[in-house]
Amino acid sequence: GIQVEQSPPDLILQEGANSTLRCNFSDSVNNLQWFHQNPWGQLINLFYIPSGTKQNGRLSATTVATERYSLLYISSSQTTDSGVYFCAVVSGNTPLVFGKGTRLSVIA
Amino acid sequence: DAGITQSPRHKVTETGTPVTLRCHQTENHRYMYWYRQDPGHGLRLIHYSYGVKDTDKGEVSDGYSVSRSKTEDFLLTLESATSSQTSVYFCAISLTGGNTIYFGEGSWLTVV
Repeated sequence: GIQVEQSPPDLILQEGANSTLRCNFSDSVNNLQWFHQNPWGQLINLFYIPSGTKQNGRLSATTVATERYSLLYISSSQTTDSGVYFCAVVSGNTPLVFGKGTRLSVIA
Repeated sequence: DAGITQSPRHKVTETGTPVTLRCHQTENHRYMYWYRQDPGHGLRLIHYSYGVKDTDKGEVSDGYSVSRSKTEDFLLTLESATSSQTSVYFCAISLTGGNTIYFGEGSWLTVV
């Protein structure tokens, strides 16, 4: 099945810094989503982005489907951005497959 | 927020006992999923359903069964719980297989 790899696995930032999280996938996809899991365990949809670029406030995402990667940008990070960021993909008829996540800690 | 309710939210049970987790949705979405989350593994698919009485296995289906007798409810059953099934279980829904997927708040299960 499709493989999803996220990098880096862990990231520590000073408040106000910018960051880029990467998601590589091993096959063509027809769905790609980014999620944020907060410290209370909630999984929150950030983007549905099988291709192209989207922005939502301080967050933006770009997926280059032909090169099999997606990037999540976080600008002017805040402590509330802490948590785990997951990339997940659908390839063909298989349900969503998750990467192992990037754990982000933003320090005041 | 998507209308997804998981119950129970927390449960401690003994090895060998049966356990059923319930997922209830109010969105009339066709697809429903059960994932488990464990440290170092991310989220892994257990079973999913693409319609009433239509289900299929996921990556880690051994030891689990599911049932979907109506659109709004998807049940996950551990026939005889084992300590390796201690985990956080998430239900999710989507309108179609390729659409945005929404998660419930999770059910914490401890098997002692």
